[in-house]
Amino acid sequence: GEDVEQSLFLSVREGDSSVINCTYTDSSSTYLYWYKQEPGAGLQLLTYIFSNMDMKQDQRLTVLLNKKDKHLSLRIADTQTGDSAIYFCAENRGSYIPTFGRGTSLIVHP
Amino acid sequence: NAGVTQTPKFQVLKTGQSMTLQCAQDMNHNSMYWYRQDPGMGLRLIYYSASEGTTDKGEVPNGYNVSRLNKREFSLRLESAAPSQTSVYFCASSPLGSTDTQYFGPGTRLTVL
Repeated sequence: GEDVEQSLFLSVREGDSSVINCTYTDSSSTYLYWYKQEPGAGLQLLTYIFSNMDMKQDQRLTVLLNKKDKHLSLRIADTQTGDSAIYFCAENRGSYIPTFGRGTSLIVHP
Repeated sequence: NAGVTQTPKFQVLKTGQSMTLQCAQDMNHNSMYWYRQDPGMGLRLIYYSASEGTTDKGEVPNGYNVSRLNKREFSLRLESAAPSQTSVYFCASSPLGSTDTQYFGPGTRLTVL
């Protein structure tokens, strides 16, 4: 099947904003998710957006959804070294089992 | 609540050996999953169990078997380990309905020599 696409790496300076992009595949996906994986740990849900929304904001996190282009983005404001992790985009494709992208490694340097 | 627990955390096997990875969740979730994570490949679904008593194949089931022992526990068995099964294995659980969020365990790092 088609893949959920993400770039593999993103490097930012501490204090800058990070924007992680994702292209998903199924316009019928009800929910789109961002998961975070810290080194040596499992994935943890960071946030999700329902498909009838264009934007969701939660403290330093902003999720933007462009349904026409099937594009999802995660913006992290004032990025800190503790934000260094792998970020996975996922969609549910009308099923209860999400399909994950390959993950974007965010590297935050001083 | 402990969430999703996995044992062991690390394991080294020789080719041909067998082993069972254990997973348990204490959140009363209906669905449980086994994934493997390989560098550059993201997460790939091995098997899942929508509810107690049912199991289904995912994307990469070959070489694995599963048992949904009860609502809490879902085990993954490698009958004859191969070097291609060197990976990090994650168990996850999810309540059916709502946002279908998955809750992941800490992973088992398996090396097959």
